[in-house]
Amino acid sequence: DIQMTQSPSTLSASVGDRVTITCRASQTMSTWLAWYQQRPGKPPKLLIYKASILKSGVPSRFSGSASGTEFTLTISSLQPDDFATYYCQQYHLFPLTFGGGTKVEI
Amino acid sequence: EVRLVETGGGLIHPGGSLRLSCAVSGFTVSGDLMTWVRQAPGKGLQWVSIIYSHGSTYYEESVKGRFTISRDKSENTLVLQMNNLRVDDTAVYFCARGDYSEEGYFDPWGQGTQVTVSS
Repeated sequence: DIQMTQSPSTLSASVGDRVTITCRASQTMSTWLAWYQQRPGKPPKLLIYKASILKSGVPSRFSGSASGTEFTLTISSLQPDDFATYYCQQYHLFPLTFGGGTKVEI
Repeated sequence: EVRLVETGGGLIHPGGSLRLSCAVSGFTVSGDLMTWVRQAPGKGLQWVSIIYSHGSTYYEESVKGRFTISRDKSENTLVLQMNNLRVDDTAVYFCARGDYSEEGYFDPWGQGTQVTVSS
């Protein structure tokens, strides 16, 4: 199985901050990685797929990048709506696996 | 508008069975990649099962032999039959639509249905 190690698990930030979340894969997986945002009591929402492609309609302050087995989600200027939990997901191999999540809080 | 609505959750004793349904609108469930993902209380996301448009299915190891994913084309519904339920199956179960290229990422997701396995 491909293990996705996500860090940090919790991140304290303020509106306007630049925020970076990292997912490290246990083996190479090209760029078959998605990022989701989940607010409390709600389902996840797709933000980014293929590591760096922004889903249509997602604000451009979100971006994704990849370097080897390390994947990064960056929020360039944190907005009030962005306080949520973020998950990465690999879709290179079965079983599909998610990172443990990063809670972005004030 | 694409919409997914899960039903069928509830409280069940260990060893029991439940049938989850995901009614979709705005697309045809038989023509798309579809998946089930669960989230235990206070925990992260765990993939459960997937069905491709051509019918191939895959399962997370802990549910193999107990869960079955299928489609009801007449009802345009995705189904998850869950047998021999265990306490650690307790979670919110989400259905989600896969991408058009069937690569394996998902959007949108339903609101989820709660499954509680307890004696």
